[in-house]
Amino acid sequence: DIVLTQTPLSLSVTPGQPASISCKSSQSLLDSDGKTHLHWFLQRPGQPPQLLIYEVSNRFSGVPDRFSGSGSGTDFTLKISRVEAEDVGVYYCLQGIQLPLTFGGGAKVEIK
Amino acid sequence: EVQLVESGGGLVQPGGSLRLSCAASGFTLSGYWMYWVRQAPGKGLVWVSRINSDGSTTNYADSVKGRFTISRDNAKNTLYLQMNSLRDEDTAVYYCARDFTWAAFDICGQGTMVTVSS
Repeated sequence: DIVLTQTPLSLSVTPGQPASISCKSSQSLLDSDGKTHLHWFLQRPGQPPQLLIYEVSNRFSGVPDRFSGSGSGTDFTLKISRVEAEDVGVYYCLQGIQLPLTFGGGAKVEIK
Repeated sequence: EVQLVESGGGLVQPGGSLRLSCAASGFTLSGYWMYWVRQAPGKGLVWVSRINSDGSTTNYADSVKGRFTISRDNAKNTLYLQMNSLRDEDTAVYYCARDFTWAAFDICGQGTMVTVSS
């Protein structure tokens, strides 16, 4: 199974400041079609997960441009350029290249 | 409005069965791969199962293989998860989700709680 390791487990951020979350994969997520099947989700408290970023760096419809994704192969990063109060929750990465599909353990973002 | 609504959760004894349903509205289910994902209380997200658009291909996590069955009725615009031989560790909120691309699911229901306890 592909293991996704997210760091840090939690972070407390002052509004307006940046935040960064890492997701490291135990195997390359680059597919033969040239796409890398690594996605990012946010789960706000009491809510289902919502898609933020797909295939490393593509913002999903309606996602603010303060969210960005980068990386390749096995190392990926989600960045929030200026954290807002509504960004509170747990962020998960997910790999879609190999079964079983696996999520990272999550990174909890809180506001200072 | 495009949405998914799960139902069928509840309290069941170990060894028992439940069938979860996921009703789609605002879109045609037949055009999409679909997923079940679960989340135990206070824990992270875990993939459970997936099914292709016409129901001919299904996949399961090892933890549920042989006990759970995913299916769909595209005419009813509904996805199902039949859960048999339930265990304490199956206790979780179960979400159904619609595939956008390669497991990046774009629509997720509010979830239905399954509690396995004697």
